[in-house]
Amino acid sequence: DAEITQSPRHKITETGRQVTLACHQTWNHNNMFWYRQDLGHGLRLIHYSYGVHDTNKGEVSDGYSVSRSNTEDLPLTLESAASSQTSVYFCASSESTGGRKTFGSGTRLTVV
Amino acid sequence: GENVEQHPSTLSVQEGDSAVIKCTYSDSASNYFPWYKQELGKRPQLIIDIRSNVGEKKDQRIAVTLNKTAKHFSLHITETQPEDSAVYFCAATRSGNTPLVFGKGTRLSVIA
Repeated sequence: DAEITQSPRHKITETGRQVTLACHQTWNHNNMFWYRQDLGHGLRLIHYSYGVHDTNKGEVSDGYSVSRSNTEDLPLTLESAASSQTSVYFCASSESTGGRKTFGSGTRLTVV
Repeated sequence: GENVEQHPSTLSVQEGDSAVIKCTYSDSASNYFPWYKQELGKRPQLIIDIRSNVGEKKDQRIAVTLNKTAKHFSLHITETQPEDSAVYFCAATRSGNTPLVFGKGTRLSVIA
């Protein structure tokens, strides 16, 4: 069955380190999204992509970057991790822009 | 850009009663409105969605209503059960090139 997977499920890192969170989908969806979830803020958009080599900034993109070299993967990189980036990160994909999104199981990141 | 407000932030109901969660949006061009349910420690999952060409949609105990003139939409859950306890998120977007914008969520507790 098609799925969207995130790895790792949990990660602890130190301030200043570069961290990459993986997102892989086998739905063959063109559109992929990264959100962060924090208490009191809901789900906020970090970056998104509508296809290979396409990337766009979301509401809270500072300190994050993405690259899209193939349809299946959209890795999220924290260039220099900060304590404010402690959060739960969700990747999602959809067939069409704004269409029904399927979420991955999330990555809980702690920056110490 | 789009802004979605969601109320209430917490809601407690007795088992068997109805629950209503309301959202307002700012972008009059938005025409797709999904609702997601997130159980503790799990990923958000789509439970129902509505497009702007209809005013109401039902799926068993769940219904969504949309008032485009007033720019608000609501989730109605009837005959609530303990397994309905979760955080519910509304969202809105145009169907074009803009991703979903989420409300901040409503924590629903169904008391047995």
